[in-house]
Amino acid sequence: KAGVTQTPRYLIKTRGQQVTLSCSPISGHRSVSWYQQTPGQGLQFLFEYFSETQRNKGNFPGRFSGRQFSNSRSEMNVSTLELGDSALYLCASSWDRPVESGYTFGSGTRLTVV
Amino acid sequence: SQQGEEDPQALSIQEGENATMNCSYKTSINNLQWYRQNSGRGLVHLILIRSNEREKHSGRLRVTLDTSKKSSSLLITASRAADTASYFCATGNAGNNRKLIWGLGTSLAVNP
Repeated sequence: KAGVTQTPRYLIKTRGQQVTLSCSPISGHRSVSWYQQTPGQGLQFLFEYFSETQRNKGNFPGRFSGRQFSNSRSEMNVSTLELGDSALYLCASSWDRPVESGYTFGSGTRLTVV
Repeated sequence: SQQGEEDPQALSIQEGENATMNCSYKTSINNLQWYRQNSGRGLVHLILIRSNEREKHSGRLRVTLDTSKKSSSLLITASRAADTASYFCATGNAGNNRKLIWGLGTSLAVNP
């Protein structure tokens, strides 16, 4: 079965711009979570969507937002980019409740802000 | 944000040896999961252990959980060069198990 697909794989943006990242979950998975990974802070939870609703939110500023569509695909948007937003952004999908198979991650989008 | 801590931060062993990584966390948990990440790519789920379990096996992996000490260990037996990766523990907290809290990882190098 197809895995979690994230696009694009790499992105270079300039400070002040905005960016949209996309995530297509595994078929049947209705929960999509987003994480930011940086060398200094490690993996940090951004938000989780389930059935088009944001169900959980991490401690990130309002510049970070997301949404989920009826087919469970999700997008996250970062506005007014800052240098510190440079990171690997990972999307993970799962069934509603954590099961033995855990979460399935995409390969990530590497965002560089210059 | 609260985070678990893995130790050691880095581990280098020879093929065939066992590798043990430890994870400590701070809050009451619903479950604890271990993931592997190769070279800054996506994470691969290895094993999930629930708070009422003490030990779990999957192939060459053995995970233990001690909720009284708020710690877990991951043992990889008979390691292979292909096991070279970073290993992370993530906890699903008792209050909200949808919001995983991650450690900073252990970087494992298995030398042929």
